[in-house]
Amino acid sequence: DTGVSQDPRHKITKRGQNVTFRCDPISEHNRLYWYRQTLGQGPEFLTYFQNEAQLEKSRLLSDRFSAERPKGSFSTLEIQRTEQGDSAMYLCASSAGAWRGTIAKNIQYFGAGTRLSVL
Amino acid sequence: AQKITQTQPGMFVQEKEAVTLDCTYDTSDPSYGLFWYKQPSSGEMIFLIYQGSYDQQNATEGRYSLNFQKARKSANLVISASQLGDSAMYFCAMREGSGGTSYGKLTFGQGTILTVHP
Repeated sequence: DTGVSQDPRHKITKRGQNVTFRCDPISEHNRLYWYRQTLGQGPEFLTYFQNEAQLEKSRLLSDRFSAERPKGSFSTLEIQRTEQGDSAMYLCASSAGAWRGTIAKNIQYFGAGTRLSVL
Repeated sequence: AQKITQTQPGMFVQEKEAVTLDCTYDTSDPSYGLFWYKQPSSGEMIFLIYQGSYDQQNATEGRYSLNFQKARKSANLVISASQLGDSAMYFCAMREGSGGTSYGKLTFGQGTILTVHP
């Protein structure tokens, strides 16, 4: 039973470059989330996918950020024209969806994250 | 207003003793879930325990228990018999809305660093 996998674990880039991160969720999970965590803070929600549909995006997700989940399995998060303020840990989580109308735990299981450093 | 408040930036506990990590929350939604996660220095967020707003009993998972006081909007984590491996950052989080009709995003607190001394 594999957990959520993220690649790469660490990324160092120069300001202005584009970077792409990948997340492989737990295989039977149809919900996928991206969060950003800066040093000393709790994670902040970025975006949510149910299967291949991106259903919610945070205001934190500027136009330079784009996320995809083309086949409802793995997801990618791309940051274009990186800025120093983008330096953070990017966390991916997945969960099993619940039927509408039921109250479900919807426990999110997280990957180890991708730590981005923009120089 | 902060939706999740963790007022203890750091806590120290002696090995084998119990420790309580505080969490208060703010929501007007009658249906919500409360979660605790552990984040060791490696960075991965590890799920510990869940409490639903309609659950009648406090949640327990092994050495972890959740002291849920709905009227006070608090959901404190109790770790019994602390171990050296419990040293980590601990986050309280909330999901508003039912799991079936909401998208389920989590709102996290600032975290509490727990240090267990031998």
